[in-house]
Amino acid sequence: EAQVTQNPRYLITVTGKKLTVTCSQNMNHEYMSWYRQDPGLGLRQIYYSMNVEVTDKGDVPEGYKVSRKEKRNFPLILESPSPNQTSLYFCASSSILAGLQETQYFGPGTRLLVL
Amino acid sequence: AQSVTQLDSHVSVSEGTPVLLRCNYSSSYSPSLFWYVQHPNKGLQLLLKYTSAATLVKGINGFEAEFKKSETSFHLTKPSAHMSDAAEYFCVVSDRGDYKLSFGAGTTVTVRA
Repeated sequence: EAQVTQNPRYLITVTGKKLTVTCSQNMNHEYMSWYRQDPGLGLRQIYYSMNVEVTDKGDVPEGYKVSRKEKRNFPLILESPSPNQTSLYFCASSSILAGLQETQYFGPGTRLLVL
Repeated sequence: AQSVTQLDSHVSVSEGTPVLLRCNYSSSYSPSLFWYVQHPNKGLQLLLKYTSAATLVKGINGFEAEFKKSETSFHLTKPSAHMSDAAEYFCVVSDRGDYKLSFGAGTTVTVRA
């Protein structure tokens, strides 16, 4: 079954304690991306990757890191989480065709609470 | 750089009546445009997409959208709302060759029995 998986689904942590949210896709997609969703703001892109070892900043990259060492995986790292990073996070993947985005497939989401 | 404005944060309709969700975009180049739906406590699912083919795009569950370049709009419609259409809807734009995606703030649809 084609899918994007994220782990963990729920996470409560404390300020400053490093954490990683994993994301994996089994569709051989070139493009992967992380978003955060906050009420009234829609989804905002944090980082995206066009392929292995190629990443770029989205609209809200501050406080986040990513890596793309393998095509299927795109972990999101919070080196020193702060309460303003409390949010719902989505990972997504898609193929790219002639320079245009194809359909994004979204993971189930990770709900993060930073105390 | 691209951006999206969803003109209504909340739309309430009666079951069986038409639904209209408005989306205006700005884009430097020929864009891809998408509508996604998010049901409560669920992930996002594609409703339909425009990628420079036909300007009237049909999607799943009876939804369709029309790309109007002169008006920079991509409004989503459905002729007859169903209770299962209650959800949040997002309009999304991506420029050709620019791999960033911009989401609108979302429109919450309520369907009254």
